[in-house]
Amino acid sequence: GAVVSQHPSRVICKSGTSVKIECRSLDFQATTMFWYRQFPKKSLMLMATSNEGSKATYEQGVEKDKFLINHASLTLSTLTVTSAHPEDSSFYICSARGLAVTDTQYFGPGTRLTVL
Amino acid sequence: GENVEQHPSTLSVQEGDSAVIKCTYSDSASNYFPWYKQELGKGPQLIIDIRSNVGEKKDQRIAVTLNKTAKHFSLHITETQPEDSAVYFCAAFSGSARQLTFGSGTQLTVLP
Repeated sequence: GAVVSQHPSRVICKSGTSVKIECRSLDFQATTMFWYRQFPKKSLMLMATSNEGSKATYEQGVEKDKFLINHASLTLSTLTVTSAHPEDSSFYICSARGLAVTDTQYFGPGTRLTVL
Repeated sequence: GENVEQHPSTLSVQEGDSAVIKCTYSDSASNYFPWYKQELGKGPQLIIDIRSNVGEKKDQRIAVTLNKTAKHFSLHITETQPEDSAVYFCAAFSGSARQLTFGSGTQLTVLP
């Protein structure tokens, strides 16, 4: 299957700092990338959908000014958690879908964010 | 919007036995149904998927069945092995929403 990478795999930061997470599709072009948040023993919660070259679409309740998403190319999307607080600590997972809406969606390995 | 329900939430089986996980969906327009396996601390991995023009699909020990009329689909794992232990998520793709809706997950434990 297609490969999606995520970096870093885990990050620990102090409260008030910003953290950037990168998501790359390694062997295919991804028109659409998704960012999910997952709490322990819970399902995946979609935060936002980004299409290459356009603004991200955020799900209800997700602060767009806090979770900045950039999808500058067909292989790279970034999520920046601005002014992070302990309640932002979570497992963040990106996902990428190919050029067609009906294409399979592949997930990255996730990033464990811990805010002290 | 789409709503996906998944059962059971936990499932324990003896090694070598079969495991079945069931999901129902609400949007009759949904046409793509993938299954993902998630190991602890890792991202979900696609293990099998089925589209609405097919009733069954098999890949070695894993099979998925789809009943469009009843709006439910199931994952079948035969000859389970300890390495099958993980959380399994079903999902449904709705063309109108253009995104996947996930079930709540099933923690499968295969006992040696």
